[in-house]
Amino acid sequence: SYELTQPPSVSVSPGQTARITCSGDALPNQFSYWYQQRPGQAPVLVIYKDSERPSGIPERFSGSSSGTTVTLTISGVQAEDEADYYCQSADSNGGVFGTGTKVTVL
Amino acid sequence: EVQLVQSGAEVKKPGESLRISCKGSGYSFTTYWITWVRQLPGKGLEWMGRIDPSDSYTNYSPSFQGHVTFSVDKSISTAYLQWSSLKASDTAIYYCASGPNAEFFDYWGQGALVTVSS
Repeated sequence: SYELTQPPSVSVSPGQTARITCSGDALPNQFSYWYQQRPGQAPVLVIYKDSERPSGIPERFSGSSSGTTVTLTISGVQAEDEADYYCQSADSNGGVFGTGTKVTVL
Repeated sequence: EVQLVQSGAEVKKPGESLRISCKGSGYSFTTYWITWVRQLPGKGLEWMGRIDPSDSYTNYSPSFQGHVTFSVDKSISTAYLQWSSLKASDTAIYYCASGPNAEFFDYWGQGALVTVSS
């Protein structure tokens, strides 16, 4: 089955930039989406269609795409950004989530 | 305001049946697909499949095909996820998710914890 691969963890100091990658063979042909999940909460959409930001999501969240890899960038990381992040895309069966990345703010 | 409100936590024994629900409000229920997502304890999100409330057309992930059933009751704007025979490995949080675009999810339910234990 189709897989989207993310690094298990990323650590970053407050105010610095966190970059989370997501790799998948079909990503050049499909949009990617990103979700933030804080402990004990439901996921929240933070990026859609590779680089679009939903209303209410801070400008420090941005997305980009290059070939088989998409990237979520958090600029000027804040303590509240500590969470798990998942990429998501479509496949022949409907959809697939990435393996997830835990962002730790040092 | 769009809301998806799920039924509460359940504790069941292996072999028992279960149906959990997801009630949509604040929008026309038949216009947005409902997707179900599983999260095993301490693990990541898994796309289980989705249902079109307008005609009950379904897409199941191969990993879940034959193990769960999706349904809707349009009259009460509610989607259901059902098991006929639970296993301990079904212990997880189950989310419903939706939005105007069937590919991604602007809206999520609060999650329903299902615990299967003898």
